[in-house]
Amino acid sequence: GAGVSQSPSNKVTEKGKDVELRCDPISGHTALYWYRQSLGQGLEFLIYFQGNSAPDKSGLPSDRFSAERTGGSVSTLTIQRTQQEDSAVYLCASSLVGASSYEQYFGPGTRLTVT
Amino acid sequence: QKEVEQDPGPLSVPEGAIVSLNCTYSNSAFQYFMWYRQYSRKGPELLMYTYSSGNKEDGRFTAQVDKSSKYISLFIRDSQPSDSATYLCAMSSTSGTYKYIFGTGTRLKVLA
Repeated sequence: GAGVSQSPSNKVTEKGKDVELRCDPISGHTALYWYRQSLGQGLEFLIYFQGNSAPDKSGLPSDRFSAERTGGSVSTLTIQRTQQEDSAVYLCASSLVGASSYEQYFGPGTRLTVT
Repeated sequence: QKEVEQDPGPLSVPEGAIVSLNCTYSNSAFQYFMWYRQYSRKGPELLMYTYSSGNKEDGRFTAQVDKSSKYISLFIRDSQPSDSATYLCAMSSTSGTYKYIFGTGTRLKVLA
C-alpha cells in the first residue's frame, strides 16, 4: 500500500517568508509525528498528533512553528517568518497506535532551504 | 555532551565485510533501543528494536546492547553495496513513548 507522502520534496524560500509543509500519513494510522533533521544533528521531535487528543507541541522550537491535522489524516506544518536556521529536512511519520507503538513509518521528507 | 553520541563516518568497507556501527549514551535510564536505516533522500526505516541488554539477530543484522557500558552496536554480516546508507540509533527510557532520542547517524559505504 501507499506509504507516508510529503510535499513538496524541496522548498527554497527567502528569509522572512512563511512556508507550509504537507504530510499524508498511511491510511488508518491514528498517530502522526513531525521531526526536523538538521545537518550534524539527530532527528529532533517537533509535534505529535494522536486521534482527537490535544497534540503534544512540546518539541516546537518557537512560536513561529505550528501544525494542524485535519480530519485525523493530512497534516500541515507551518513555519512563519522563516529564518536561515530553519533550513533542514522536515520528516513526517505515522504509526498505527501512538504512545504504545515504536514502529513509525517515515515519509521521504521536505528539504527546506531558507536563503 | 549529547545524550546519544554516534560517529558520523563515513565508514567505507569492502563488500562482504562485517560492519560494526555503534552508539554511546549517557542516560542510564534508557532501556529501549532502535536502529534505523536511512537511504539518501528517504525517510528512516526501522531495522531493529531491542529491550534492555543482550543480543537480537535478524538475518544479516545483529543488535547488541551493553547497558553496563552504555553502548549499543549494530553488526552487519556479509555487507552488500545495497547496505550503503546512514544508520541512526534511537533510544528511550520508557515503553509507550514517542519521544526517542536519536543519534546523528553514521554514513556507511559498502564498496563493490
